[in-house]
Amino acid sequence: GEDVEQSLFLSVREGDSSVINCTYTDSSSTYLYWYKQEPGAGLQLLTYIFSNMDMKQDQRLTVLLNKKDKHLSLRIADTQTGDSAIYFCAESIQGYQKVTFGTGTKLQVIP
Amino acid sequence: AAGVIQSPRHLIKEKRETATLKCYPIPRHDTVYWYQQGPGQDPQFLISFYEKMQSDKGSIPDRFSAQQFSDYHSELNMSSLELGDSALYFCASSYQAGAREQYFGPGTRLTVT
Repeated sequence: GEDVEQSLFLSVREGDSSVINCTYTDSSSTYLYWYKQEPGAGLQLLTYIFSNMDMKQDQRLTVLLNKKDKHLSLRIADTQTGDSAIYFCAESIQGYQKVTFGTGTKLQVIP
Repeated sequence: AAGVIQSPRHLIKEKRETATLKCYPIPRHDTVYWYQQGPGQDPQFLISFYEKMQSDKGSIPDRFSAQQFSDYHSELNMSSLELGDSALYFCASSYQAGAREQYFGPGTRLTVT
């Protein structure tokens, strides 16, 4: 995660909105992703955004991309206890295979 | 919908032993990727295959090798295991190399004692 950074921890109350932030360094990033990982489980692709977009909304999830500042955020509306997990921001560059992950943000939802 | 299948889900080996992890991609996916996630770490890309050819290589140790077979399943072979190899190993698959959507399997948890 040295090229993609996230804050380590976020705590919110059930029903509130959560905003998870991410910064990346590679300006040639083509796709930016958000993955969710529940304890002991695999990585679930939540959503992704192409680098020429600045916003994408998918039900309770809103992704905002500020390409100038290399800043990506994930907003979860009406956060539920089932949203408690680690959220990874990730990037990929067109023409390359790998996805580079951030350090992950642990989201704790308080009932 | 069918997902990526990995086997075994858990594996315990001793130092210097070998291990083989298997990955079965989503039907019609032709590309597989291997990632290693150490305890409390983010996943790190190891290697990928497209149409049975290695397509990209990351931080994979020389002690590890992998291949993709004609049915598109892949195996990650790990030899001379070290304590530091203890990790969660994920396989992901996609349709076509460099696809924007990589779907991850549940992972194989390898413990080296």
